[in-house]
Amino acid sequence: AQKVTQAQTEISVVEKEDVTLDCVYETRDTTYYLFWYKQPPSGELVFLIRRNSFDEQNEISGRYSWNFQKSTSSFNFTITASQVVDSAVYFCALTLSNDYKLSFGAGTTVTVRA
Amino acid sequence: EPEVTQTPSHQVTQMGQEVILRCVPISNHLYFYWYRQILGQKVEFLVSFYNNEISEKSEIFDDQFSVERPDGSNFTLKIRSTKLEDSAMYFCASSEMMMLGTDTQYFGPGTRLTVL
Repeated sequence: AQKVTQAQTEISVVEKEDVTLDCVYETRDTTYYLFWYKQPPSGELVFLIRRNSFDEQNEISGRYSWNFQKSTSSFNFTITASQVVDSAVYFCALTLSNDYKLSFGAGTTVTVRA
Repeated sequence: EPEVTQTPSHQVTQMGQEVILRCVPISNHLYFYWYRQILGQKVEFLVSFYNNEISEKSEIFDDQFSVERPDGSNFTLKIRSTKLEDSAMYFCASSEMMMLGTDTQYFGPGTRLTVL
């Protein structure tokens, strides 16, 4: 069975600091898909990114960047120059190519202080 | 931009009562899902639904739960006899593609269910 671990429960930073969220996953499948979702205080789940297991290219989207390393089974997420609006719970999730469900990590609460 | 909608945003019910949570998935999506999140905990998969039948369900999704697509737009989750431990945020999600696992699931804003 697959598993996603987000070891950091809470991270608190001052505005403009960078913050990196760790995600480590376990699966025996060779084809899988990794996701990051953001849950702001209002409660909804907002899709941020999807990454295929066969595409290890890192990605940057504005102040967000993702580092996917199959060798260490990690899919880390960095927010550069954090802002107060980045305060949220961030979830890493995994699904397999023959599966319907997303398996979520426990989430990391990010608090950005002004 | 198309989005998943859910109603109500908050439902309060007495233990033992039936509740129906409603969702309108994104219109061209073919796969539908329910997840739940107990306060402060991780998001957990309940069930997936495709072509008018359940395609996968978790062990949480016992006989007290059922899902239905009563018409071309709504997707519902029914809890027949609510328990205190059913109190949670319930998220509906939908995805477009036919190939399992490859497509992104887009989530609705959630329904907070409180069982008293």
